[in-house]
Amino acid sequence: NAGVTQTPKFRVLKTGQSMTLLCAQDMNHEYMYWYRQDPGMGLRLIHYSVGEGTTAKGEVPDGYNVSRLKKQNFLLGLESAAPSQTSVYFCASSYKGNQPQHFGDGTRLSIL
Amino acid sequence: AQSVTQPDIHITVSEGASLELRCNYSYGATPYLFWYVQSPGQGLQLLLKYFSGDTLVQGIKGFEAEFKRSQSSFNLRKPSVHWSDAAEYFCAVGALNSGAGSYQLTFGKGTKLSVIP
Repeated sequence: NAGVTQTPKFRVLKTGQSMTLLCAQDMNHEYMYWYRQDPGMGLRLIHYSVGEGTTAKGEVPDGYNVSRLKKQNFLLGLESAAPSQTSVYFCASSYKGNQPQHFGDGTRLSIL
Repeated sequence: AQSVTQPDIHITVSEGASLELRCNYSYGATPYLFWYVQSPGQGLQLLLKYFSGDTLVQGIKGFEAEFKRSQSSFNLRKPSVHWSDAAEYFCAVGALNSGAGSYQLTFGKGTKLSVIP
């Protein structure tokens, strides 16, 4: 039982490049989330999804896009990476919105 | 909007000593409350949760937390700390975002625990 799997685990980009982070869950959860974690800031919600085909903005959505074409996958895209997007990105999923979230191990992203 | 405050950025305790990590929240109704632990390079693992009922909840790894409505607090405790408990701990409040029509978690900024052998 893999739970929540994030790929890649590490990535270095140059300013202006684009990339997609993939999150996959095998728990048949309806809700999926993308967070970023920065030192001293805790976790901040970027975007989330309450079901296949739906997405919604979180606290810090600017510069990111997401898609949930399949229930088990939630993609986070950076169209034009900026140094301010250097962070550790976590994906999470939950059965319902008020249930505990299960987290992946994170993607460490550096933008030069 | 809800908010979570963890007043202590860093706590150091000796192995075998008791531990209490503080968490205060702000929310107009009864919230859902969680404690998560994060080891270096890892994701967050759920320690325990409070939804309703008994205000003292037991979690994994010997942790417990007490919900005190009058103090808007949900402090995490452990009677005897082990070296393997060294990690960062996050308190979170789950509340309904009426504008979005869905529940969201708001995390505190975390408390880093160091354990002296």
